[in-house]
Amino acid sequence: AQSVTQLGSHVSVSEGALVLLRCNYSSSVPPYLFWYVQYPNQGLQLLLKYTSAATLVKGINGFEAEFKKSETSFHLTKPSAHMSDAAEYFCAVRTNSGYSTLTFGKGTMLLVSP
Amino acid sequence: DAGVIQSPRHEVTEMGQEVTLRCKPISGHNSLFWYRQTMMRGLELLIYFNNNVPIDDSGMPEDRFSAKMPNASFSTLKIQPSEPRDSAVYFCASSSRGGTGELFFGEGSRLTVL
Repeated sequence: AQSVTQLGSHVSVSEGALVLLRCNYSSSVPPYLFWYVQYPNQGLQLLLKYTSAATLVKGINGFEAEFKKSETSFHLTKPSAHMSDAAEYFCAVRTNSGYSTLTFGKGTMLLVSP
Repeated sequence: DAGVIQSPRHEVTEMGQEVTLRCKPISGHNSLFWYRQTMMRGLELLIYFNNNVPIDDSGMPEDRFSAKMPNASFSTLKIQPSEPRDSAVYFCASSSRGGTGELFFGEGSRLTVL
């Protein structure tokens, strides 16, 4: 069964610092992987996705993630944090059931201080 | 383009009352998903439909929960009778056939059962 593990329920950075949110996956087949962001009182919004093309994926708002098969990882990064990046981030893996179901990690809350 | 539309955005009810949450998926999407989000459990998939047919309802917690999709543009999630532990944010999401599995989420319905 496919699953994802997000390391750290909370990550704190200063404005302008590097953002690194960790995600490791488990999948018996080549995975499709996703990062979503959730701002307070809103739904989840897709940041980026990996679908077996380029291993370095660029998304919205300056975020990117690198798929590393050897490490079973799909960590999310951004070179310089903005206050507006404060939100909860979810890593997800497509469940290979023939339908497009996603299994989500527990989420990581990103806190950005001035 | 209109996204996934959910109603109500907020619902406060008393234990034992019936609750109905509504969802309109994105036009042309053929899969619809209901998720529940709580602090303790994170995002849980409750049920999903493909072409209006329920495919997997193994995530529905109890018989008090039921979901229907009478047509391609409307789905309901009903809780009867409601209990305080049902308090959560309920999200509806949709996706299209043949895609990479990306889900498009609504803004959610925040349910509080007193």
